[in-house]
Amino acid sequence: RKEVEQDPGPFNVPEGATVAFNCTYSNSASQSFFWYRQDCRKEPKLLMSVYSSGNEDGRFTAQLNRASQYISLLIRDSKLSDSATYLCVGHMNTGFQKLVFGTGTRLLVSP
Amino acid sequence: DTGVSQDPRHKITKRGQNVTFRCDPISEHNRLYWYRQTLGQGPEFLTYFQNEAQLEKSRLLSDRFSAERPKGSFSTLEIQRTEQGDSAMYLCASGRGSGGSHEQYFGPGTRLTVT
Repeated sequence: RKEVEQDPGPFNVPEGATVAFNCTYSNSASQSFFWYRQDCRKEPKLLMSVYSSGNEDGRFTAQLNRASQYISLLIRDSKLSDSATYLCVGHMNTGFQKLVFGTGTRLLVSP
Repeated sequence: DTGVSQDPRHKITKRGQNVTFRCDPISEHNRLYWYRQTLGQGPEFLTYFQNEAQLEKSRLLSDRFSAERPKGSFSTLEIQRTEQGDSAMYLCASGRGSGGSHEQYFGPGTRLTVT
């Protein structure tokens, strides 16, 4: 079982829609989580950090449910420019410093 | 530009050749990471430096791979005797690592093609 699992999508939504992605993790030692955005053939860019129960930044809301071991990302009022792959990432609190990435969820926002 | 930089951005090499990539982290970041990403996958951790010390290496990092960060600033990743399976995007990231922050910021990557 992968340490971080995501639905690869693609999620096809119209402009203005609300879309949510879920991500599950298997290592209960994971302490910190992140959502990164990655455009085609570009590097991942940090979108949001999720250190406690959740975080909100404008149209983006991330939530963490430790009991069920999942993280979610909600995007409201989708823009064409939101089209990208969204990577769910966990940081393992085991003395190691690596980030563990999911395979990403692809979002396509259409006019 | 004060972000992470990587050089070269693209490298095409023949199987069996050696290649070296460079990463310059954000200047105040003492942590530096190398990842590898193939199509359709998320980045996979390769190795991690805190200042000049290499503290962690993945099992993915075979004997043909070596990384250094001699002065705790820039880092190099060398692949010896390249194989076609080494073709991937090699990403470098840096982080401050202070105050409990585990955020990492990525460079543009070096895309390696082994023919």
